[in-house]
Amino acid sequence: AQKVTQAQTEISVVEKEDVTLDCVYETRDTTYYLFWYKQPPSGELVFLIRRNSFDEQNEISGRYSWNFQKSTSSFNFTITASQVVDSAVYFCALWAVIQGAQKLVFGQGTRLTINP
Amino acid sequence: EAGVTQFPSHSVIEKGQTVTLRCDPISGHDNLYWYRRVMGKEIKFLLHFVKESKQDESGMPNNRFLAERTGGTYSTLKVQPAELEDSGVYFCASSQNLQGTQYFGPGTRLTVL
Repeated sequence: AQKVTQAQTEISVVEKEDVTLDCVYETRDTTYYLFWYKQPPSGELVFLIRRNSFDEQNEISGRYSWNFQKSTSSFNFTITASQVVDSAVYFCALWAVIQGAQKLVFGQGTRLTINP
Repeated sequence: EAGVTQFPSHSVIEKGQTVTLRCDPISGHDNLYWYRRVMGKEIKFLLHFVKESKQDESGMPNNRFLAERTGGTYSTLKVQPAELEDSGVYFCASSQNLQGTQYFGPGTRLTVL
């Protein structure tokens, strides 16, 4: 079965703290993609990053970084020196071929609140 | 380049009424997807178009939901008759190819009273 688990429902930190959002996935496919999307209060889903299953290099983009570890089936997201504008719901997602169809499977999301 | 757009942004209807949601994908994207998030739960796949053809509609909840993509451009999702449990946010996404990144629209918040 394809499944994504975001165990942290809500996280609240003070501005400038570092915060890590956890994502654990399950799939039997050897080829798959992992994503993070951000949903700010305005409601749209904003694409942040995509990684394929053959590329375990960590990625850094400004204050954002992602740690992909196949050994633990995890794809965690860290925000360094958080800012109020980072407040949003963050979704981790898995793309895989499920019974012949290609679709995204999402975690339940983590609501991140950055307090000033 | 314009992103995925959805209309309306909000819709409030009574149980038993009909509602039609519209999605305009990114220009040139052959793949169009519909997803739904009901209150507090994960975002779930509804269906997938490749151009005007339904590639997969395994996520459609029941036959009260009808999706179309005439001409392979914009898509509509009709709910008839709407039930209380249909309330949620309906997202549309598009991608250039099957393995391409899916870019999402702002969603339509549907409330059935």
